[in-house]
Amino acid sequence: EAQVTQNPRYLITVTGKKLTVTCSQNMNHEYMSWYRQDPGLGLRQIYYSMNVEVTDKGDVPEGYKVSRKEKRNFPLILESPSPNQTSLYFCASTPNWAGTDTQYFGPGTRLTVL
Amino acid sequence: AQSVTQLDSQVPVFEEAPVELRCNYSSSVSVYLFWYVQYPNQGLQLLLKYLSGSTLVKGINGFEAEFNKSQTSFHLRKPSVHISDTAEYFCAVSSPNTGNQFYFGTGTSLTVIP
Repeated sequence: EAQVTQNPRYLITVTGKKLTVTCSQNMNHEYMSWYRQDPGLGLRQIYYSMNVEVTDKGDVPEGYKVSRKEKRNFPLILESPSPNQTSLYFCASTPNWAGTDTQYFGPGTRLTVL
Repeated sequence: AQSVTQLDSQVPVFEEAPVELRCNYSSSVSVYLFWYVQYPNQGLQLLLKYLSGSTLVKGINGFEAEFNKSQTSFHLRKPSVHISDTAEYFCAVSSPNTGNQFYFGTGTSLTVIP
């Protein structure tokens, strides 16, 4: 089954404790991205990747890191989480960047930073 | 950067009544427009998209949307809603002129009342 998976689905952590949220897709997509969803703000793009070893900042990259060492994986790293990063996070992939393709979303990761 | 405005944050509607969810985007030479739906506790999935051609676009589950370039709008409609349409709806835009990013609106929560 074609899908985007994220782990963990739920995470409660404390300020300053490094964490990684994994994202994996099995569709051989080139383009992957991370979003955060906050009430009243919709989805905002954090980082995106056009292909292996190619990443770029979205609209809200502060406090986040990403890497793209393999085509299928695109982990999101919070080196020193803070309470303002409490949010619902989605990973998405699309075949390539033409701006015309459907994005396929993972099920989401709900992060709480205390 | 592009911006997307969804004017209605919440729309209650009775079952079998028609509904329109409004979306406006900032002007650009060319844009690609999308509507995504998010059911409770799930990721987003594509309802429909406009790339070019006919301004009336039909999507899944009986939804349709009309691209209006002069008004920079892409409103979503359904002639008769069902309880199962209760969800959050997001309008999104991309453009070959503004980088390799997708921009989402703040979402409209549609509640269908029995």
